[in-house]
Amino acid sequence: DVKVTQSSRYLVKRTGEKVFLECVQDMDHENMFWYRQDPGLGLRLIYFSYDVKMKEKGDIPEGYSVSREKKERFSLILESASTNQTSMYLCASSPGQGLFRAPLHFGNGTRLTVT
Amino acid sequence: AQKVTQAQTEISVVEKEDVTLDCVYETRDTTYYLFWYKQPPSGELVFLIRRNSFDEQNEISGRYSWNFQKSTSSFNFTITASQVVDSAVYFCALSEVGGSQGNLIFGKGTKLSVKP
Repeated sequence: DVKVTQSSRYLVKRTGEKVFLECVQDMDHENMFWYRQDPGLGLRLIYFSYDVKMKEKGDIPEGYSVSREKKERFSLILESASTNQTSMYLCASSPGQGLFRAPLHFGNGTRLTVT
Repeated sequence: AQKVTQAQTEISVVEKEDVTLDCVYETRDTTYYLFWYKQPPSGELVFLIRRNSFDEQNEISGRYSWNFQKSTSSFNFTITASQVVDSAVYFCALSEVGGSQGNLIFGKGTKLSVKP
């Protein structure tokens, strides 16, 4: 079974802090994704990566950056956390080419609260 | 523009009832994929099914069935004889394969509560 592991289930940070959300997958998937989930808005894509060191902006990249130094790890960085970034963050991975055609495998999510 | 509409925000049923979750999509592409995901209270989205635009055959998997109709741009999901464990948020999603990389758009989800 594919396992996507997010380092924290719950996180509380202060406004202005730099925040790192880590995600690791164990199935050698090429593609990795970061989504945020908010009530009434569904899932929105922040960033994705189709290869090591490659990254692409999703629909809402503002205020975020990402890092993919190794194939299995995809980090989401909030350079200066703000209260409007309080949300559930979901990491996902998928195999091979056809970036958005394959089913996604999701982690359990990180619920981030910025105070 | 690509769009996925799940008009039912919340549905509540009693165990053993059948329930249908609606999904209507909009796309200009002739080649696309449709997905359903389940998000139980634990939070992890779980893939349920993928359908491509050239395959309109209905699918049945145990108590779950899916009805794909291109004529009405719908991909509805039916749970037969619902159980408490079916309580979750269900997301429909559309992937277009045109363009450089494509995209995946999720609907806003339908929260299903199955009461004993």
